[in-house]
Amino acid sequence: QKEVEQNSGPLSVPEGAIASLNCTYSDRGSQSFFWYRQYSGKSPELIMFIYSNGDKEDGRFTAQLNKASQYVSLLIRDSQPSDSATYLCAVNRYMEYGNKLVFGAGTILRVKS
Amino acid sequence: DGGITQSPKYLFRKEGQNVTLSCEQNLNHDAMYWYRQDPGQGLRLIYYSQIVNDFQKGDIAEGYSVSREKKESFPLTVTSAQKNPTAFYLCASKDQGYSNQPQHFGDGTRLSIL
Repeated sequence: QKEVEQNSGPLSVPEGAIASLNCTYSDRGSQSFFWYRQYSGKSPELIMFIYSNGDKEDGRFTAQLNKASQYVSLLIRDSQPSDSATYLCAVNRYMEYGNKLVFGAGTILRVKS
Repeated sequence: DGGITQSPKYLFRKEGQNVTLSCEQNLNHDAMYWYRQDPGQGLRLIYYSQIVNDFQKGDIAEGYSVSREKKESFPLTVTSAQKNPTAFYLCASKDQGYSNQPQHFGDGTRLSIL
């Protein structure tokens, strides 16, 4: 089992719809969770981060965390063609010498106009 | 502007050659990281440094070396021992190694074999 798992997609949604991206993780001790967006050929860009169970909203983006189910998701409302990218889920793992981020392989999102 | 600068953007390596990728940050961050990304895959940690003059191996350190002589600089050397170096290399930093704050990335260096 991979430490952080995402459906590779592609996930296709029409413009204006809600896109739902999901991620599961295996380390129950993880405390912080991040969503990065990566356009083709570019570096990852931070979209959202969440530490507590529940929802966190920022504009069109909502991150949802359920630690009991070891599940974190990202909702994108009113999806736009410019949202088409790969979305990487990352989970903080605590180590002896600082924390490290463990990344999923990413979900490709395609928003069709 | 504050940020992370990686250079060069593209790099080509000849057989048996060592190459060094530069990463500089002016964010006054203590922690810096090097990742490798292969097509269709997530990021894998090569090396990280929590503080000047200290660094630790990540998950795929073989064939790579780093130094951290200055807070703002964390260069990565891809040695000839790394037999499959073609990948997208990303440098990241965050305020402190033990914090829950997010990491931020440079624009990356794309390395290919000649």
